[in-house]
Amino acid sequence: AQKVTQAQTEISVVEKEDVTLDCVYETRDTTYYLFWYKQPPSGELVFLIRRNSFDEQNEISGRYSWNFQKSTSSFNFTITASQVVDSAVYFCALSEAPDFNKFYFGSGTKLNVKP
Amino acid sequence: DGGITQSPKYLFRKEGQNVTLSCEQNLNHDAMYWYRQDPGQGLRLIYYSQIVNDFQKGDIAEGYSVSREKKESFPLTVTSAQKNPTAFYLCASSFGTDSGNTIYFGEGSWLTVV
Repeated sequence: AQKVTQAQTEISVVEKEDVTLDCVYETRDTTYYLFWYKQPPSGELVFLIRRNSFDEQNEISGRYSWNFQKSTSSFNFTITASQVVDSAVYFCALSEAPDFNKFYFGSGTKLNVKP
Repeated sequence: DGGITQSPKYLFRKEGQNVTLSCEQNLNHDAMYWYRQDPGQGLRLIYYSQIVNDFQKGDIAEGYSVSREKKESFPLTVTSAQKNPTAFYLCASSFGTDSGNTIYFGEGSWLTVV
């Protein structure tokens, strides 16, 4: 079974629209970490955010916001007022005990923002 | 500037040949990783190393080999035993083995078998 599921393979929006990327995870541990990465066409994965399982407070960073809900095992990512530069593949990832070095990545969601 | 440098960016290999991808970091990170990404797919862990002279297999280690002789360097060799090596390879590193460490990635290397 997939530990991290990103059900949306590809999303297309028009610039200035809001868009939410879904991430559902599976773990039996009480201590775990969730991450989001952005992969632009250049290929490098860029770290966006890390969340630990004990901190359910939502976070906002500029146009980006993250909604962590343990009750539904979800860690969704919203981009407000999307821009063409947001076009990329976005990955959600999980690390859990006992081996926190082993990251489980979702299959990614490709976001196309059209002008 | 601090970062993770992978080389070459693009590499072509003939079938039956071994090829080595370089990964160097100057972030003073203890742990280093190699991931493989196929088109439209997520990342799969090949190998990782927590300290010098030690490394562990990931989910798809067959046909690959690594070494960790220096803290800064973690080269990956794609051997002829790897049946389908054409892919995008990403090197990453993190501060250590404590929980919650964030991994940071290099720019990746494209390997194509011709």
